[in-house]
Amino acid sequence: NAGVTQTPKFRVLKTGQSMTLLCAQDMNHEYMYWYRQDPGMGLRLIHYSVGEGTTAKGEVPDGYNVSRLKKQNFLLGLESAAPSQTSVYFCASRRTSGETGELFFGEGSRLTVL
Amino acid sequence: GQNIDQPTEMTATEGAIVQINCTYQTSGFNGLFWYQQHAGEAPTFLSYNVLDGLEEKGRFSSFLSRSKGYSYLLLKELQMKDSASYLCAAMDSNYQLIWGAGTKLIIKP
Repeated sequence: NAGVTQTPKFRVLKTGQSMTLLCAQDMNHEYMYWYRQDPGMGLRLIHYSVGEGTTAKGEVPDGYNVSRLKKQNFLLGLESAAPSQTSVYFCASRRTSGETGELFFGEGSRLTVL
Repeated sequence: GQNIDQPTEMTATEGAIVQINCTYQTSGFNGLFWYQQHAGEAPTFLSYNVLDGLEEKGRFSSFLSRSKGYSYLLLKELQMKDSASYLCAAMDSNYQLIWGAGTKLIIKP
């Protein structure tokens, strides 16, 4: 029972490089989210998806792009990484947003941009 | 604007009781969540309150007062494994979660 799986777990990038974080969930959840977590701050929503083929901007979307081509996968891309994007990234999923069901989180991806 | 406030850090003794407070301001309200996050790990769900009152779940209880925009998480019979950050999150009218910065709880023997 994998739940929410994120890859990679760790990555070091140089400024200007690009990369993609993959999130996969096996719970058939409609809603998926990408958050970043920085010291002293709450989880901040980057982008989210309410279903296959849909995406929407969250609180801090600049510098990131996402895609939800398959229901179980939600990809987060950094086209040109910047040191300000050094953070821990969490993917989460929920059955629907209209209900008040809990979020299930992946283990996190630690990204360092030099 | 929308805002969640909770203490940055608290210290308690093993076996004791601790109460972690959270105040919130949101556009609409669809409930209050508490999550536990151990260092280097993902947040895990603890509790959800949408009606006023106390919800008890083993050693953990969560309280909500909607009129005061206030919640607390009560941890009893503290164990060393309870050392973690506790995240408060309020759900707004669009069913989006607004997160507090978390309260780091340190348990001393």
